[in-house]
Amino acid sequence: GAGVSQSPRYKVAKRGQDVALRCDPISGHVSLFWYQQALGQGPEFLTYFQNEAQLDKSGLPSDRFFAERPEGSVSTLKIQRTQQEDSAVYLCASSYYRDSYEQYFGPGTRLTVT
Amino acid sequence: GQNIDQPTEMTATEGAIVQINCTYQTSGFNGLFWYQQHAGEAPTFLSYNVLDGLEEKGRFSSFLSRSKGYSYLLLKELQMKDSASYLCAVRDNNQGGKLIFGQGTELSVKP
Repeated sequence: GAGVSQSPRYKVAKRGQDVALRCDPISGHVSLFWYQQALGQGPEFLTYFQNEAQLDKSGLPSDRFFAERPEGSVSTLKIQRTQQEDSAVYLCASSYYRDSYEQYFGPGTRLTVT
Repeated sequence: GQNIDQPTEMTATEGAIVQINCTYQTSGFNGLFWYQQHAGEAPTFLSYNVLDGLEEKGRFSSFLSRSKGYSYLLLKELQMKDSASYLCAVRDNNQGGKLIFGQGTELSVKP
């Protein structure tokens, strides 16, 4: 079946703009994760959903970052008043349940803030 | 807290064997994962270890020693397409079960 998809694949925003990044997980996957990956680094956890419930948002770097998954499928990561340090690849991953041994990653959205 | 260390980069020759090491410190260990990531692409799952020992899957094997906080990924019969970043990640139940990733090891396979 289809894998995890993300859109847009690339986003250029001017500093101060708001952006919204979309993730379509694999159908039936209960768990959804967002990660931020800086150039040359490993992914860093941002937030975790189980169905529509956001159970862990400890990795969100500031209150400018907000994520939602209102119907337990598609998720949106919103960044308000973008800053240059927000430039990174934002990865979404899904798994059937939280402790599944395999998380399936989407291709990511590369955000560049100018 | 978490500390995951792996070499930043490695170079190996096509057809050879390479071992990528990963050391970690965690309080609630619940599994170690290896992912492969080609430039500009999504990480793809390679292996999972939760018990000590060696897991073999084709040309790739992964080893875990929980007492030493140590894992390695072994790649045999290297191919040019194996040039990629290899990410070590640990799941910590004391941190909500999320994956904590190392910085990745950039492997270059030369002809």
